[in-house]
Amino acid sequence: QKEVEQNSGPLSVPEGAIASLNCTYSDRGSQSFFWYRQYSGKSPELIMSIYSNGDKEDGRFTAQLNKASQYVSLLIRDSQPSDSATYLCAVTPSGAGSYQLTFGKGTKLSVIP
Amino acid sequence: DVKVTQSSRYLVKRTGEKVFLECVQDMDHENMFWYRQDPGLGLRLIYFSYDVKMKEKGDIPEGYSVSREKKERFSLILESASTNQTSMYLCASSPRGGKNEKLFFGSGTQLSVL
Repeated sequence: QKEVEQNSGPLSVPEGAIASLNCTYSDRGSQSFFWYRQYSGKSPELIMSIYSNGDKEDGRFTAQLNKASQYVSLLIRDSQPSDSATYLCAVTPSGAGSYQLTFGKGTKLSVIP
Repeated sequence: DVKVTQSSRYLVKRTGEKVFLECVQDMDHENMFWYRQDPGLGLRLIYFSYDVKMKEKGDIPEGYSVSREKKERFSLILESASTNQTSMYLCASSPRGGKNEKLFFGSGTQLSVL
């Protein structure tokens, strides 16, 4: 069973701080990595994707990937109360077909005003 | 904008009933998926389809079946609903080719089986 592990949280950070969300995965052959945000009572939406080692920045969001350590993270700078949500890490497994993602259970983030 | 529409937001059914959950997408996506989401267990893939009349089992297909007769429509069927199938069901679609793993989700169906 290929697994994606996240701390469930809740992770509480004050407004304006950096929120750091972490994810590890068991399938060494995984090639594609994603962060989805899910507000309470809503569906997940893709916020970041990363495919190669290093950092990828998009506005206040930075995704970091380290394939050797099988580790992917999401940094949210200048956290806002509107960032309060559950963040899901998702990984495309190696092997036949990239049609399906394996999701972590999510980390709940609370940004305190 | 891509739209994935699930027919019901809330559904209450009795144990043993046959239940149909419908999903329609309007962006001509080849891939469609059914997930269920439970507290503490996260999102789990039930079935997916990469073409009309094609289906593949996901991680938890037991007790479910699917139908894809048209490209835009993907149905999830609970042959005989049980209480352990009470859950939030999410349909998703994605285009084929390239980095096709971007999923577009519907708004979900909260199913309660009594």
